[in-house]
Amino acid sequence: AQTVTQSQPEMSVQEAETVTLSCTYDTSENNYYLFWYKQPPSRQMILVIRQEAYKQQNATENRFSVNFQKAAKSFSLKISDSQLGDTAMYFCASPIIQGAQKLVFGQGTRLTINP
Amino acid sequence: KAGVTQTPRYLIKTRGQQVTLSCSPISGHRSVSWYQQTPGQGLQFLFEYFSETQRNKGNFPGRFSGRQFSNSRSEMNVSTLELGDSALYLCASSWGQGAEQYFGPGTRLTVT
Repeated sequence: AQTVTQSQPEMSVQEAETVTLSCTYDTSENNYYLFWYKQPPSRQMILVIRQEAYKQQNATENRFSVNFQKAAKSFSLKISDSQLGDTAMYFCASPIIQGAQKLVFGQGTRLTINP
Repeated sequence: KAGVTQTPRYLIKTRGQQVTLSCSPISGHRSVSWYQQTPGQGLQFLFEYFSETQRNKGNFPGRFSGRQFSNSRSEMNVSTLELGDSALYLCASSWGQGAEQYFGPGTRLTVT
């Protein structure tokens, strides 16, 4: 089965610190996309960052960056200079099947940024 | 550009009833996907529509159905509601295959 696994149910850091959320996945596809979504208490799912598997360069969006290790099927999210507004559930997701819009989500990591 | 909208935002139904949820995608997006989110099962894919055709389907019983209209708006219907159908139902739109999906605020369904 195609799966996405997040092994950290909860994490907590101090404001301005750097935090890394882990994600591993399983797929037999060669080309696919990987996403990190954020779901704050409002429950609105917000796209944080996207990585295309055929691109070797790690994606970066302001304070958010990924460490994509294709051979290891690992896709971690690094948040630099964390802010109180980063407090949320973070989900790693992938269509797993090339071209499909059927996202498979990890179980999520609850991240709390403390003042 | 307006985001994905979902109506209603909250809904309370009784077991055995049916319910219809609506989703309007971002303008220009032709793909609409539906997901169910529960504390126990997490986020699970229900189905995806593209140009009025169901393109992918998740592992849900036939009580869950959907459709898409020519303007890309989508509806999902759940018949013969069960207590276990209580969940947050999320709709997402994208412009095509492999593209990132943008989510609406969700409909919180409570079945009593």
